Amino acid sequence: EPEVTQTPSHQVTQMGQEVILRCVPISNHLYFYWYRQILGQKVEFLVSFYNNEISEKSEIFDDQFSVERPDGSNFTLKIRSTKLEDSAMYFCASSWDLSSYEQYFGPGTRLTVT
Amino acid sequence: AQSVTQLDSQVPVFEEAPVELRCNYSSSVSVYLFWYVQYPNQGLQLLLKYLSGSTLVESINGFEAEFNKSQTSFHLRKPSVHISDTAEYFCAVSDNRGGSEKLVFGKGTKLTVNP
Repeated sequence: EPEVTQTPSHQVTQMGQEVILRCVPISNHLYFYWYRQILGQKVEFLVSFYNNEISEKSEIFDDQFSVERPDGSNFTLKIRSTKLEDSAMYFCASSWDLSSYEQYFGPGTRLTVT
Repeated sequence: AQSVTQLDSQVPVFEEAPVELRCNYSSSVSVYLFWYVQYPNQGLQLLLKYLSGSTLVESINGFEAEFNKSQTSFHLRKPSVHISDTAEYFCAVSDNRGGSEKLVFGKGTKLTVNP
């Protein structure tokens, strides 16, 4: 069964460094998402992406964050200058369409900022 | 703004016992409702969803949830759990006005099924 994959599974970085989290969505999906979960807190929506554009973003998704679909298969989340509070599990998701409301999630990347 | 409350962070039960995982939501608009399950070291998987129609929805592995608009609830139930149901369960809502597909999640409930 097709699945969303994410790399790396765990990333440790120092405060102020740039990180790129990578996701490979399911191949025929058109809508892409990033969510994050800070330890002990809720899974929070960050951004949705369709047709090479951001379609919606949350207040969390400030200028330090960016997303890209560089080559038609990968979907990346970049954090320009990481802060301690960016430490979280980051989930990528994809869906075929909006009407089914069925998003397929990857296993997550645990980001630790020291 | 929408929000989801999962009242229990952890629920331990014995195998073959019934279980109910509670979920309440608040929203100023009509919503779609979802339960996702996360097994260890895996991503979130959609367990079941309510979009419209019958307020009782079922999954293929014996879970069911009932949408109760008056109580703004979408509790998840299973009459007899298995060890393999041990996982974390997340309730989520989505705005059904169209054009906004983001999911708003609860904090999750860790279900532990003991032998």
